[in-house]
Amino acid sequence: GESVGLHLPTLSVQEGDNSIINCAYSNSASDYFIWYKQESGKGPQFIIDIRSNMDKRQGQRVTVLLNKTVKHLSLQIAATQPGDSAVYFCAENGPGYALNFGKGTSLLVTP
Amino acid sequence: KAGVTQTPRYLIKTRGQQVTLSCSPISGHRSVSWYQQTPGQGLQFLFEYFSETQRNKGNFPGRFSGRQFSNSRSEMNVSTLELGDSALYLCASSPGTGPTDTQYFGPGTRLTVL
Repeated sequence: GESVGLHLPTLSVQEGDNSIINCAYSNSASDYFIWYKQESGKGPQFIIDIRSNMDKRQGQRVTVLLNKTVKHLSLQIAATQPGDSAVYFCAENGPGYALNFGKGTSLLVTP
Repeated sequence: KAGVTQTPRYLIKTRGQQVTLSCSPISGHRSVSWYQQTPGQGLQFLFEYFSETQRNKGNFPGRFSGRQFSNSRSEMNVSTLELGDSALYLCASSPGTGPTDTQYFGPGTRLTVL
Protein backbone atom coordinates (compact mmCIF):
# COMPACT_ATOMS: atom_id res chain seq x y z
CA GLY A 1 0.00 0.00 0.00
CA GLU A 2 0.97 3.64 -0.18
CA SER A 3 2.55 5.16 2.89
CA VAL A 4 4.60 7.98 4.28
CA GLY A 5 7.92 6.91 5.73
CA LEU A 6 10.97 8.41 7.36
CA HIS A 7 14.52 7.51 6.44
CA LEU A 8 16.11 7.64 9.92
CA PRO A 9 14.50 6.79 13.24
CA THR A 10 16.99 8.86 15.30
CA LEU A 11 19.17 11.87 14.64
CA SER A 12 21.73 13.33 17.03
CA VAL A 13 23.13 16.81 16.38
CA GLN A 14 25.20 19.28 18.30
CA GLU A 15 23.70 22.48 19.54
CA GLY A 16 24.17 25.21 16.97
CA ASP A 17 24.45 22.85 14.03
CA ASN A 18 21.84 22.57 11.31
CA SER A 19 19.53 19.53 11.30
CA ILE A 20 18.00 17.82 8.32
CA ILE A 21 15.15 15.36 8.74
CA ASN A 22 14.07 13.42 5.70
CA CYS A 23 10.81 11.85 4.65
CA ALA A 24 9.78 9.76 1.65
CA TYR A 25 6.24 9.49 0.38
CA SER A 26 4.82 7.15 -2.19
CA ASN A 27 1.43 8.63 -3.06
CA SER A 28 2.02 10.80 -6.11
CA ALA A 29 -1.50 12.21 -5.72
CA SER A 30 -0.63 13.86 -2.39
CA ASP A 31 -0.76 17.62 -2.69
CA TYR A 32 -0.23 18.81 0.87
CA PHE A 33 2.55 17.97 3.30
CA ILE A 34 3.03 18.96 6.90
CA TRP A 35 5.73 18.68 9.54
CA TYR A 36 4.81 18.25 13.17
CA LYS A 37 6.96 18.27 16.31
CA GLN A 38 5.99 16.17 19.29
CA GLU A 39 7.60 16.63 22.67
CA SER A 40 7.29 14.07 25.40
CA GLY A 41 3.85 14.11 26.98
CA LYS A 42 2.41 16.52 24.45
CA GLY A 43 0.40 16.36 21.28
CA PRO A 44 1.95 17.06 17.86
CA GLN A 45 2.67 20.72 17.26
CA PHE A 46 2.39 22.18 13.75
CA ILE A 47 5.73 23.42 12.40
CA ILE A 48 5.34 24.15 8.74
CA ASP A 49 3.46 22.95 5.67
CA ILE A 50 3.94 23.00 1.93
CA ARG A 51 1.67 22.45 -1.03
CA SER A 52 2.66 20.44 -4.06
CA ASN A 53 2.85 23.52 -6.29
CA MET A 54 5.86 24.70 -4.26
CA ASP A 55 9.32 23.22 -3.80
CA LYS A 56 10.48 25.27 -0.84
CA ARG A 57 8.95 27.12 2.03
CA GLN A 58 10.65 28.91 4.90
CA GLY A 59 9.56 29.66 8.41
CA GLN A 60 11.35 30.83 11.50
CA ARG A 61 14.57 28.75 11.57
CA VAL A 62 12.87 26.01 9.56
CA THR A 63 12.75 25.25 5.85
CA VAL A 64 10.77 22.53 4.14
CA LEU A 65 11.92 21.23 0.77
CA LEU A 66 9.72 19.18 -1.53
CA ASN A 67 11.10 17.15 -4.40
CA LYS A 68 8.15 15.71 -6.29
CA THR A 69 10.36 13.95 -8.82
CA VAL A 70 11.72 11.57 -6.20
CA LYS A 71 8.81 11.97 -3.76
CA HIS A 72 10.99 13.32 -1.01
CA LEU A 73 10.34 15.85 1.71
CA SER A 74 12.86 17.31 4.14
CA LEU A 75 12.79 19.59 7.15
CA GLN A 76 15.82 21.74 7.81
CA ILE A 77 16.28 23.34 11.22
CA ALA A 78 18.89 26.07 11.42
CA ALA A 79 21.05 26.57 14.50
CA THR A 80 19.47 23.67 16.36
CA GLN A 81 18.74 24.34 20.02
CA PRO A 82 18.13 21.99 22.98
CA GLY A 83 14.45 22.92 22.82
CA ASP A 84 14.30 21.37 19.35
CA SER A 85 14.79 17.91 20.84
CA ALA A 86 11.60 16.04 20.04
CA VAL A 87 10.10 13.55 17.62
CA TYR A 88 9.37 14.99 14.20
CA PHE A 89 6.64 13.62 11.95
CA CYS A 90 5.95 14.29 8.34
CA ALA A 91 2.38 13.85 7.15
CA GLU A 92 0.55 13.98 3.87
CA ASN A 93 -3.10 14.58 3.19
CA GLY A 94 -5.00 11.36 2.78
CA PRO A 95 -8.57 10.75 1.69
CA GLY A 96 -10.92 13.49 2.82
CA TYR A 97 -9.57 15.24 5.87
CA ALA A 98 -7.33 12.44 7.09
CA LEU A 99 -3.61 12.92 7.56
CA ASN A 100 -1.25 10.02 6.91
CA PHE A 101 1.71 10.22 9.24
CA GLY A 102 5.19 8.81 8.98
CA LYS A 103 6.69 6.84 11.87
CA GLY A 104 8.69 9.79 13.18
CA THR A 105 12.33 10.76 13.67
CA SER A 106 13.69 11.41 17.13
CA LEU A 107 15.95 14.45 17.16
CA LEU A 108 18.41 14.72 20.04
CA VAL A 109 20.34 17.94 20.46
CA THR A 110 23.54 17.57 22.47
CA PRO A 111 25.44 20.46 24.08
CA LYS B 1 -7.13 31.75 21.92
CA ALA B 2 -7.31 28.56 23.92
CA GLY B 3 -5.98 25.44 22.26
CA VAL B 4 -7.55 22.05 21.83
CA THR B 5 -8.43 20.47 25.16
CA GLN B 6 -8.94 16.81 25.88
CA THR B 7 -10.34 15.12 28.94
CA PRO B 8 -9.44 13.09 30.79
CA ARG B 9 -5.68 13.14 30.33
CA TYR B 10 -5.20 9.64 31.71
CA LEU B 11 -7.47 6.62 31.96
CA ILE B 12 -7.02 3.08 33.19
CA LYS B 13 -9.63 0.52 32.20
CA THR B 14 -9.90 -3.25 32.14
CA ARG B 15 -10.61 -5.49 29.19
CA GLY B 16 -14.24 -5.59 28.19
CA GLN B 17 -15.10 -2.18 29.58
CA GLN B 18 -15.99 0.81 27.48
CA VAL B 19 -14.56 4.30 27.56
CA THR B 20 -15.57 7.78 26.39
CA LEU B 21 -13.05 10.49 25.61
CA SER B 22 -13.85 14.14 25.12
CA CYS B 23 -12.37 16.86 22.92
CA SER B 24 -13.06 20.58 22.81
CA PRO B 25 -11.77 22.22 19.64
CA ILE B 26 -10.27 25.66 19.21
CA SER B 27 -13.00 28.29 19.29
CA GLY B 28 -14.43 28.73 15.80
CA HIS B 29 -13.14 25.41 14.49
CA ARG B 30 -15.83 23.12 13.22
CA SER B 31 -13.83 20.06 12.23
CA VAL B 32 -12.58 17.56 14.77
CA SER B 33 -10.41 14.57 13.87
CA TRP B 34 -9.32 11.71 16.10
CA TYR B 35 -6.08 9.76 15.88
CA GLN B 36 -4.65 6.79 17.73
CA GLN B 37 -0.94 6.83 18.51
CA THR B 38 0.95 3.67 19.47
CA PRO B 39 4.68 2.88 19.41
CA GLY B 40 4.14 0.12 16.87
CA GLN B 41 1.69 1.70 14.46
CA GLY B 42 2.43 5.39 14.94
CA LEU B 43 -0.32 7.90 14.36
CA GLN B 44 -3.39 6.47 12.69
CA PHE B 45 -6.51 8.31 11.63
CA LEU B 46 -9.74 7.20 13.31
CA PHE B 47 -12.43 9.58 12.02
CA GLU B 48 -13.32 13.19 11.33
CA TYR B 49 -16.47 15.14 12.17
CA PHE B 50 -17.83 18.38 10.81
CA SER B 51 -21.17 19.95 11.71
CA GLU B 52 -22.16 16.87 13.71
CA THR B 53 -21.57 14.58 10.71
CA GLN B 54 -18.84 12.03 10.23
CA ARG B 55 -17.14 12.88 6.95
CA ASN B 56 -14.27 10.41 7.05
CA LYS B 57 -13.48 7.15 8.77
CA GLY B 58 -10.21 5.27 9.07
CA ASN B 59 -9.66 1.56 9.13
CA PHE B 60 -10.71 0.72 12.66
CA PRO B 61 -13.31 -1.78 13.90
CA GLY B 62 -16.83 -0.74 14.74
CA ARG B 63 -15.96 -0.74 18.46
CA PHE B 64 -14.55 2.71 17.82
CA SER B 65 -17.20 5.35 17.36
CA GLY B 66 -17.60 9.04 17.79
CA ARG B 67 -19.96 11.93 17.67
CA GLN B 68 -19.93 15.68 17.50
CA PHE B 69 -22.22 18.13 19.22
CA SER B 70 -23.68 21.37 17.95
CA ASN B 71 -20.97 23.36 19.75
CA SER B 72 -18.33 21.32 17.81
CA ARG B 73 -17.19 19.45 20.89
CA SER B 74 -16.60 15.80 20.10
CA GLU B 75 -16.50 12.52 21.94
CA MET B 76 -15.14 9.19 20.93
CA ASN B 77 -16.16 5.89 22.44
CA VAL B 78 -14.42 2.55 22.49
CA SER B 79 -16.51 -0.41 23.52
CA THR B 80 -15.38 -3.86 24.65
CA LEU B 81 -11.85 -2.70 25.30
CA GLU B 82 -8.94 -4.90 24.28
CA LEU B 83 -5.35 -4.77 25.49
CA GLY B 84 -4.30 -3.49 22.08
CA ASP B 85 -6.44 -0.41 22.53
CA SER B 86 -3.87 0.96 24.96
CA ALA B 87 -2.66 4.10 23.23
CA LEU B 88 -2.52 7.86 23.21
CA TYR B 89 -5.71 9.18 21.65
CA LEU B 90 -5.27 12.54 20.01
CA CYS B 91 -7.85 14.98 18.86
CA ALA B 92 -7.17 17.69 16.28
CA SER B 93 -9.28 20.61 15.23
CA SER B 94 -9.35 22.76 12.12
CA PRO B 95 -11.70 25.28 10.55
CA GLY B 96 -13.03 22.49 8.35
CA THR B 97 -13.22 24.55 5.18
CA GLY B 98 -10.82 22.37 3.22
CA PRO B 99 -8.55 19.31 3.48
CA THR B 100 -5.46 21.53 3.57
CA ASP B 101 -6.59 23.37 6.67
CA THR B 102 -3.95 23.13 9.38
CA GLN B 103 -4.91 20.63 12.04
CA TYR B 104 -4.06 21.59 15.62
CA PHE B 105 -3.67 18.81 18.13
CA GLY B 106 -4.60 18.54 21.75
CA PRO B 107 -2.38 16.95 24.43
CA GLY B 108 -4.10 13.58 24.10
CA THR B 109 -5.71 11.10 26.44
CA ARG B 110 -3.47 8.24 27.55
CA LEU B 111 -5.59 5.09 27.77
CA THR B 112 -4.22 2.01 29.47
CA VAL B 113 -6.18 -1.22 29.21
CA LEU B 114 -5.34 -3.89 31.79
